[in-house]
Amino acid sequence: QKEVEQDPGPLSVPEGAIVSLNCTYSNSAFQYFMWYRQYSRKGPELLMYTYSSGNKEDGRFTAQVDKSSKYISLFIRDSQPSDSATYLCAFCSNDYKLSFGAGTTVTVRA
Amino acid sequence: DAGVTQSPTHLIKTRGQQVTLRCSPKSGHDTVSWYQQALGQGPQFIFQYYEEEERQRGNFPDRFSGHQFPNYSSELNVNALLLGDSALYLCASSKQGTDTQYFGPGTRLTVL
Repeated sequence: QKEVEQDPGPLSVPEGAIVSLNCTYSNSAFQYFMWYRQYSRKGPELLMYTYSSGNKEDGRFTAQVDKSSKYISLFIRDSQPSDSATYLCAFCSNDYKLSFGAGTTVTVRA
Repeated sequence: DAGVTQSPTHLIKTRGQQVTLRCSPKSGHDTVSWYQQALGQGPQFIFQYYEEEERQRGNFPDRFSGHQFPNYSSELNVNALLLGDSALYLCASSKQGTDTQYFGPGTRLTVL
């Protein structure tokens, strides 16, 4: 079993739709949960960071963590063409190294 | 405030050659991590440097080595290049004791 599994996609949605992205993990030592956005041929950009179960909201983005089910999600409301990118879930334990999912590519159609 | 910078942007090498990639961390950061991202995959952790020492290492062979300088900048060296080393190499910086890592734009290495 892989340490991190991310829904592969790709996803194509119309502008204004809600985008839902999901990852599962198997390592119980993971304590920090992140979502990065990566535009084509660029480095990943940190979007959301959380360390507790529950929801965290930042503008149009909501990160959801369920530690008991080892499941995290990212929701993008009112999606825009500028949201078209690859989204990577990332996890960290106390060893300070990040473990990433393979990424989900999202296209928002105008 | 300058973010993480990497050089060069692109590099083409042939099998068996050696390559050195460079990274300058974000201002105020003292820890540098290196990741390899193959096409269509998530980044894979190579190693992390703090106080000029390798603190953590991922599952990469000894052909991959690094260095951190007193000004916190870092180099990644890869010897005896293989075709499979073709990837985007990402540098991330952070402040000791924090988990938030900020990535540079990466160096795209092509091995022919």
